[in-house]
Amino acid sequence: GENVEQHPSTLSVQEGDSAVIKCTYSDSASNYFPWYKQELGKRPQLIIDIRSNVGEKKDQRIAVTLNKTAKHFSLHITETQPEDSAVYFCAASHNNDMRFGAGTRLTVKP
Amino acid sequence: NAGVTQTPKFQVLKTGQSMTLQCAQDMNHEYMSWYRQDPGMGLRLIHYSVGAGITDQGEVPNGYNVSRSTTEDFPLRLLSAAPSQTSVYFCASSYSRTNYGYTFGSGTRLTVV
Repeated sequence: GENVEQHPSTLSVQEGDSAVIKCTYSDSASNYFPWYKQELGKRPQLIIDIRSNVGEKKDQRIAVTLNKTAKHFSLHITETQPEDSAVYFCAASHNNDMRFGAGTRLTVKP
Repeated sequence: NAGVTQTPKFQVLKTGQSMTLQCAQDMNHEYMSWYRQDPGMGLRLIHYSVGAGITDQGEVPNGYNVSRSTTEDFPLRLLSAAPSQTSVYFCASSYSRTNYGYTFGSGTRLTVV
């Protein structure tokens, strides 16, 4: 199966700073990498995704980068705001399986 | 378009009781799945379905049954509730298991006493 490791498990930043969360995967055939945001007491929601034929994707203040050679992908949040505080999950898809990382709890301090 | 609807939102069961968690989606998604999320932990896959009439086990299937008689509905049955099944349960659906993002329901918080 596909193992997905996510780091760090917790991250605290000051409002306005950038935050980076990194995930590594083990199978070079993985081809789809979504990111989910889960606010406290709420459902996970897809915020951005990237496919293996693309190296970077941006959507306003968030971006995802993919390094297929090193088998890792990262979520970048710029100009963080208190409403960015949440747990973020990465996932990697391969064949007929999808595995989630353990999550990163991001706290943005005002 | 309601997305993924889960009921109930909260439930308390006594050990040994059975119940069904309901999940319905109106997006014509072929793929549906059930996850459990324990405090401070990630998402663990219980069962999934790639289409009506097709179900399969995930990572933690013991103590749970599913069926998929229609594209829209994917209920999760707890056969004989145990305290270890206290958790938050999320239903998720997608166009496929592997190439599209998932839409999650709002969750069911289950407590077994």
